[in-house]
Amino acid sequence: AQKITQTQPGMFVQEKEAVTLDCTYDTSDPSYGLFWYKQPSSGEMIFLIYQGSYDQQNATEGRYSLNFQKARKSANLVISASQLGDSAMYFCAMRENTGNQFYFGTGTSLTVIP
Amino acid sequence: GAVVSQHPSRVICKSGTSVKIECRSLDFQATTMFWYRQFPKQSLMLMATSNEGSKATYEQGVEKDKFLINHASLTLSTLTVTSAHPEDSSFYICSAREGGLEKLFFGSGTQLSVL
Repeated sequence: AQKITQTQPGMFVQEKEAVTLDCTYDTSDPSYGLFWYKQPSSGEMIFLIYQGSYDQQNATEGRYSLNFQKARKSANLVISASQLGDSAMYFCAMRENTGNQFYFGTGTSLTVIP
Repeated sequence: GAVVSQHPSRVICKSGTSVKIECRSLDFQATTMFWYRQFPKQSLMLMATSNEGSKATYEQGVEKDKFLINHASLTLSTLTVTSAHPEDSSFYICSAREGGLEKLFFGSGTQLSVL
């Protein structure tokens, strides 16, 4: 089974609007971490936000927030007030506490429309 | 924040030659580094986990004799693509995790083109 599932290969959003990128995960480990990374066309992977499995509150980092629904095993990324520079690939990832490996989803390509 | 430097960013080589890619953690010690391969518009595929002072752990299907990984120090890991073939052309990206922190820090990646 896939550890990380991103069901949206491509998304479009109007500039200044909010957008939600979906991510679901699969693990039996009670302790894990969830991450979102942004990959612009230049190729670098930019860390956006982190959510620990035991964190009570949803993580927020500026315009990024993570909608963590533990029972549903979902960790959706919400980008508010989209900017043209937000156009990129976005990857959801998970690291289980029992291992060292990070599992990445297949990514969502976000295009911000002016 | 922690920085991982990867060099070169782009390399073109002839088929049959070897190419070395360096990954350095600039301001932290990385006991473990990861090497990924990424095809266009696809996710990152973990190739191997590089452990300082010991042999790398390769993922299933990755040829360890073709993709040589050396992690000689706490700040440097290298990936050498030996006897490169056109099908080795890809984007290779390294990452490292700073001890005590959760997130992975990534290098800027290397685009390898084998002619």
